[in-house]
Amino acid sequence: AQKVTQAQTEISVVEKEDVTLDCVYETRDTTYYLFWYKQPPSGELVFLIRRNSFDEQNEISGRYSWNFQKSTSSFNFTITASQVVDSAVYFCALSEAGSQGNLIFGKGTKLSVKP
Amino acid sequence: GAGVSQSPSNKVTEKGKDVELRCDPISGHTALYWYRQRLGQGLEFLIYFQGNSAPDKSGLPSDRFSAERTGESVSTLTIQRTQQEDSAVYLCASSVELANTIYFGEGSWLTVV
Repeated sequence: AQKVTQAQTEISVVEKEDVTLDCVYETRDTTYYLFWYKQPPSGELVFLIRRNSFDEQNEISGRYSWNFQKSTSSFNFTITASQVVDSAVYFCALSEAGSQGNLIFGKGTKLSVKP
Repeated sequence: GAGVSQSPSNKVTEKGKDVELRCDPISGHTALYWYRQRLGQGLEFLIYFQGNSAPDKSGLPSDRFSAERTGESVSTLTIQRTQQEDSAVYLCASSVELANTIYFGEGSWLTVV
């Protein structure tokens, strides 16, 4: 069965700190896709990244970086030098090749960045 | 606009009434999805449409829920005989094709009183 676990319900940091949001997934498929979305207080889900299961290269985009490790079924997200505008709920999601339209979301991690 | 458009943005309805929620996907996107997000919770998959294929309805919670899509354009999610537990944000999303990047609308807030 497919499942996404975001064990951290809430994280609070002070501006300029680095913070890592954990995501652990379960799937039986060998082909799957992993996503991160940001949901700011306004409510709209903002796409951050999509990664397929065959690409284990880590990715960096500005202050954001992602560490994909198939050995531990994890797809962790790090924000470097956090800013107040990073405050949001962050969702990790999994899509399997056999049911590509069905994204399985984790319960989200609420990140609060204080000035 | 260029994004996924949903209406109404807010809807308050009485228990037992039917509601219709509308979604206008990004032009050219063949896949359209509906998700539900209860207060403080993650997203629950409801249904997706891909081109002319039969929709995947596996996430619909009961037969009171149904959805239609006209070609590759607008979709309507209908909830019949609404119950208080239906109160949630209903999010629509679209993508160029399945498993591609999925873009979400701002959601329709439904409150059943």
